[in-house]
Amino acid sequence: DIVMTQSPDSLAVSLGERATINCKSSQTILSTSFNKNCLAWYQQKPGQPPRLLIYWASTRASGVPDRFSGGGSGTDFTLTISSLQAEDVAVYSCQQYHTSPLTFGGGTKVEIK
Amino acid sequence: QVHLQESGPGLVKPSQTLSLTCNVSGSSISSGSHYWSWVRQPAGKGLEWIGRIYASGSINYNPSFKSRIIISVDTSKNQFSLKLTSVAAADTAVYYCARLQLQLPRTECHFDYWGQGILVTVSS
Repeated sequence: DIVMTQSPDSLAVSLGERATINCKSSQTILSTSFNKNCLAWYQQKPGQPPRLLIYWASTRASGVPDRFSGGGSGTDFTLTISSLQAEDVAVYSCQQYHTSPLTFGGGTKVEIK
Repeated sequence: QVHLQESGPGLVKPSQTLSLTCNVSGSSISSGSHYWSWVRQPAGKGLEWIGRIYASGSINYNPSFKSRIIISVDTSKNQFSLKLTSVAAADTAVYYCARLQLQLPRTECHFDYWGQGILVTVSS
């Protein structure tokens, strides 16, 4: 299985500041078939299901604010919140879909400093 | 508006079978445009993919569960189901059904719609 490792486990950021979350895969998730990285990011607030933010590593899902951006390639990826808002407090998880079984990172908790 | 809703018992005894159903509205399972999937999340832990099914009945299970799970589909009711046998305390989790994007010809991609989730507790 491809292991997805996120860092940090949690971070506290001041309102309006940048938050960066890292996700590392145990092997490349760059698809040669699609020439795209098979990585998605999700946001999960307490008591709610995950919400898709980013797919193909950098494509924002419909309705997602442009302060959320995804980057990286191969095995190293980032999710950046350019200006943290109060409503962004949540757990963020990455997911690879390069190889079955689909696997998720352990999650990163983002809080307000 | 796509909506998924899980239903089933919230309490299952050890060694018995967990059975859940996901009712889908706003998206037709029989259209063949997506996969339909189950994901679980133990309290305070990360997400774990269980498996997926296609309208034709084609399945792909996480090998971690392979010997214990059955995912089935009923396109006439626009719903799909999960059975997990021989459950133990470690199977206690919130179980989500989700729509899984399909990249032709048969690549599983990201989850774009999720149900609210159902907490299933395994306890005697």
